[in-house]
Amino acid sequence: DAGVIQSPRHEVTEMGQEVTLRCKPISGHDYLFWYRQTMMRGLELLIYFNNNVPIDDSGMPEDRFSAKMPNASFSTLKIQPSEPRDSAVYFCASSLPGLAGTDTQYFGPGTRLTVL
Amino acid sequence: AQKITQTQPGMFVQEKEAVTLDCTYDTSDPSYGLFWYKQPSSGEMIFLIYQGSYDQQNATEGRYSLNFQKARKSANLVISASQLGDSAMYFCAMREGWKGGGNKLTFGTGTQLKVEL
Repeated sequence: DAGVIQSPRHEVTEMGQEVTLRCKPISGHDYLFWYRQTMMRGLELLIYFNNNVPIDDSGMPEDRFSAKMPNASFSTLKIQPSEPRDSAVYFCASSLPGLAGTDTQYFGPGTRLTVL
Repeated sequence: AQKITQTQPGMFVQEKEAVTLDCTYDTSDPSYGLFWYKQPSSGEMIFLIYQGSYDQQNATEGRYSLNFQKARKSANLVISASQLGDSAMYFCAMREGWKGGGNKLTFGTGTQLKVEL
């Protein structure tokens, strides 16, 4: 079974450019999460969706960040304009709530973003 | 206050030995879940094991077991018979409450494990 797919795996861009990160969740999973990992702040949740609807975007750092999920198999995280402090690894994760409260989130390989 | 605390920034263990990675948590919610993830140098996050707050028994998955001490609010990961491939960063994470699935994870700062010959 295919896991969570993210593209690109690496992105190098210049300050001020628009960056779009893409994610395909595991088929059948109805929750999708975007995380960011940095040395300074560790892993932090940016936003998550349920059935394609954004539920909690309180972790989105500022208006330069936006996320969409146009259908059950695709989500994007966009940064416009990008800044050097956005350099990080961005993870997408998906989950399918199970019985007894299990709701394991499965992570994609991540996108390593470098903003020069 | 930190919700997830991992006090060991780095650990060393010899191959074939067992190792315990510490994790303490802080929540007032009676319903919560605890997760351990492995992040090798390649960067991906790999799910290892899950423990629910109402689970009566400690979770086990192959060589991984979770030493769950509810009263002490600790959820230590035990890796038995360490292998060189176990060298990685290990993260403890918590999900508070149960909203039918839409629960964010709060991660600890991680423990870097190095397995030596």
